[in-house]
Amino acid sequence: ETGVTQTPRHLVMGMTNKKSLKCEQHLGHNAMYWYKQSAKKPLELMFVYNFKEQTENNSVPSRFSPECPNSSHLFLHLHTLQPEDSALYLCASSQRDRGESGELFFGEGSRLTVL
Amino acid sequence: GQNIDQPTEMTATEGAIVQINCTYQTSGFNGLFWYQQHAGEAPTFLSYNVLDGLEEKGRFSSFLSRSKGYSYLLLKELQMKDSASYLCAVKDSNYQLIWGAGTKLIIKP
Repeated sequence: ETGVTQTPRHLVMGMTNKKSLKCEQHLGHNAMYWYKQSAKKPLELMFVYNFKEQTENNSVPSRFSPECPNSSHLFLHLHTLQPEDSALYLCASSQRDRGESGELFFGEGSRLTVL
Repeated sequence: GQNIDQPTEMTATEGAIVQINCTYQTSGFNGLFWYQQHAGEAPTFLSYNVLDGLEEKGRFSSFLSRSKGYSYLLLKELQMKDSASYLCAVKDSNYQLIWGAGTKLIIKP
């Protein structure tokens, strides 16, 4: 138990579906992250929220839409995805001070398969 | 460009010692992390090095040489539960984490 909970753990969707991934952290951290993890590739940072404000968006296609209603919850809304978007999506949190981030605490991920 | 290199896969024997290397080329350096990730689970923090030298934590140690852009993770007295992927990540001058692709460690009896 890392203090970061992700749901659902597994998701299968068609290319025309709309679904959402949810992340909740119970650690009192002020920053939350979405990462994409594909086999044998480095973790790809998608979005960063610092005190609920999006601070980074690493050229992610618009079919991925993040939402951070408060500092404990983070969503990733999915729409019109492509098969190459199939991957493990990891949420993480950290305590970020003065632009410097501490160690990341990860959730167990949502395994997404796009048919 | 920024780059982190680590071996894709390594195999070791239970009870032995294994060293997983990580070399990096980044724009600036503000620390290096090692994470462990068991299959189907979350990556979990193992170690953080910001100064040169060896940091020891139980059976695991991590070494850093900033001048050589090099780190290693040393695992002693290997146990079957150490079978996992080990991720190296460097914090660059903007405090962004640059990740390696991970090293899958297979432990054999």
